[in-house]
Amino acid sequence: TQLLEQSPQFLSIQEGENLTVYCNSSSVFSSLQWYRQEPGEGPVLLVTVVTGGEVKKLKRLTFQFGDARKDSSLHITAAQPGDTGLYLCAGNTGNQFYFGTGTSLTVIP
Amino acid sequence: EAQVTQNPRYLITVTGKKLTVTCSQNMNHEYMSWYRQDPGLGLRQIYYSMNVEVTDKGDVPEGYKVSRKEKRNFPLILESPSPNQTSLYFCASSLLAGGISRSPLHFGNGTRLTVT
Repeated sequence: TQLLEQSPQFLSIQEGENLTVYCNSSSVFSSLQWYRQEPGEGPVLLVTVVTGGEVKKLKRLTFQFGDARKDSSLHITAAQPGDTGLYLCAGNTGNQFYFGTGTSLTVIP
Repeated sequence: EAQVTQNPRYLITVTGKKLTVTCSQNMNHEYMSWYRQDPGLGLRQIYYSMNVEVTDKGDVPEGYKVSRKEKRNFPLILESPSPNQTSLYFCASSLLAGGISRSPLHFGNGTRLTVT
């Protein structure tokens, strides 16, 4: 089993604050994906990063893949209530996907 | 509408009573997979399939079976369910275009299974 650890597990912040979620592993992955999941629904892809050191921006969200392709981070600028949800990282090796334990984010208006 | 459809959404059953959770996708995806989601453990892969008649074990296959007789369907079978299989189950599919590492997983809305 290739363990992906996410931190923090829970995060509650005020609207307008910035935050960073981390996804760490001792394993090397071909790619790292970030998903967001809302209650009663399946996860929805936010971004895929495939190159070590790669940085991708999606509006107020910035994703980074570590140089060694073992870790990733998600930074949200000026969080909004609509950002509330469960954020999951997923690493791909071969034909399998390994998911992190998740970060539950609550943005308070 | 492109989607992955799971049925049922909710299922309560008793120990030992065989059940099947269906999964169907209308996107002509080659790759399909099943996951279970448990608090504090995240999503764990049960089985996956690269194409018709090709299935492989994921991280937690014990107590589960799958089949892939058609490209669009990938049912999950619990021959003799036990209480430790109580969980939230997700089916996902992917096109594999550009390689699996670059392909997004498209998830169904989940099946909440309770085994008493």
